[in-house]
Order: sequence, then structure tokens, then C-alpha cells
Amino acid sequence: RKEVEQDPGPFNVPEGATVAFNCTYSNSASQSFFWYRQDCRKEPKLLMSVYSSGNEDGRFTAQLNRASQYISLLIRDSKLSDSATYLCVVNGRGGADGLTFGKGTHLIIQP
Amino acid sequence: DAGVTQSPTHLIKTRGQHVTLRCSPISGHKSVSWYQQVLGQGPQFIFQYYEKEERGRGNFPDRFSARQFPNYSSELNVNALLLGDSALYLCASSWTSGSSYNEQFFGPGTRLTVL
Repeated sequence: RKEVEQDPGPFNVPEGATVAFNCTYSNSASQSFFWYRQDCRKEPKLLMSVYSSGNEDGRFTAQLNRASQYISLLIRDSKLSDSATYLCVVNGRGGADGLTFGKGTHLIIQP
Repeated sequence: DAGVTQSPTHLIKTRGQHVTLRCSPISGHKSVSWYQQVLGQGPQFIFQYYEKEERGRGNFPDRFSARQFPNYSSELNVNALLLGDSALYLCASSWTSGSSYNEQFFGPGTRLTVL
């Protein structure tokens, strides 16, 4: 079982739609969780951290379920500029293990 | 302030050669991590350095080595290159190590092609 598994892509959705990504992680000792965004041939950039209570940043909402080892990202009112690869990321013991990335889900917003 | 910088941006090598990649962290950041991203995959953790000491190592062969300098910049060395080493090599800087809540900022990467 992969350490971080994400929905297979690509997701093709019309502009203005709501889209949800899911992610599961295998290491129950994982301590922190993130969603990164990566544009084609660019570096990953932090989109948002994910907290147990859930958190929202504008059109983006992230949820964490530690019991199910499940992370989600919801994008509302999608824009053309949201087209990118979204990486689910987990951090383990004190950061010394580095970040563990999923393969990413490619999102294409269509006009 | 400048972000994380990496050099070179692109590199072409042949099998068996060695390569040195360089990274300068954000000013004030003391920790540097290296990741390898092959096409279609997420980045894979290679090393983490903090205050010139190795703090973490991923599942990579001994052909991969790194070091951190007193100014916190870092080098990643790969010996005896294989075709499978072709990838985007990413450097990430963070203020410290040892905390899983410590945000990492990525540089633009070095794209290595091994022929």
C-alpha cells in the first residue's frame, strides 16, 4: 500500500463547478498534513495546511479525518486558473522523514 | 526577499557521469531538504540537512550524497548516473528542522536528463 494515495486524474470540470479531491495516508503516526499545488514544469507551492477541525481559505476547504486517515480538498466556483496538479502531502516524525507526497491529481478547468 | 534558488536550471549528462546540484535557501532559513520528482510522480524525499548536519535520509542509494555549508546553502551530488536518475530535483528550505509543522518552501528545481 502506498503511503499517500490520491484520486486518479485527470479531473475535467467546467468553470464554476465544485470539485473535490480525496487522499488517504497509511502512517497513523503522521503529524501534519498539507495540500500543495504544482503547475506544469514548476515547483510545488503550499496551497493550505489541513487541521483536524477543518479549515477554509476563500474558495478552498480542507478536511482531515485522523480516525479514517483521510484528507480532502474542496474547490468551489472553480476558475480556469485552478487548472494544476494538486498534491496531498503528509509529514511524519518531527519532520526528519521529510514530506511524503501523493502522486497528485491533475485538474483541468474547462471554459 | 529572494526565494529558494537552485542551479543549474537544466543539465544533460551521460550514464556513469556525476553531477552536483546547488541550492541557496531563503535568507534566515537553516534547513534544506532535497527531493526527486520523476515524471508523473510526486516528489520523493532524499535528504534533510540542518545546521550542516544530516537530519533525515530517504530511501535512495549511496550514489546520492549531500552537504550543507556554513551559509546554509547545500549541494546534492549524484555519482555513477543512471538513466533512471533523470528527474526534476527540488530543494526546499525551512526555518528549522525537527518540527513536522515547519512549512517548506520549494525552489524552481534542476531538471536533470541522463542520456
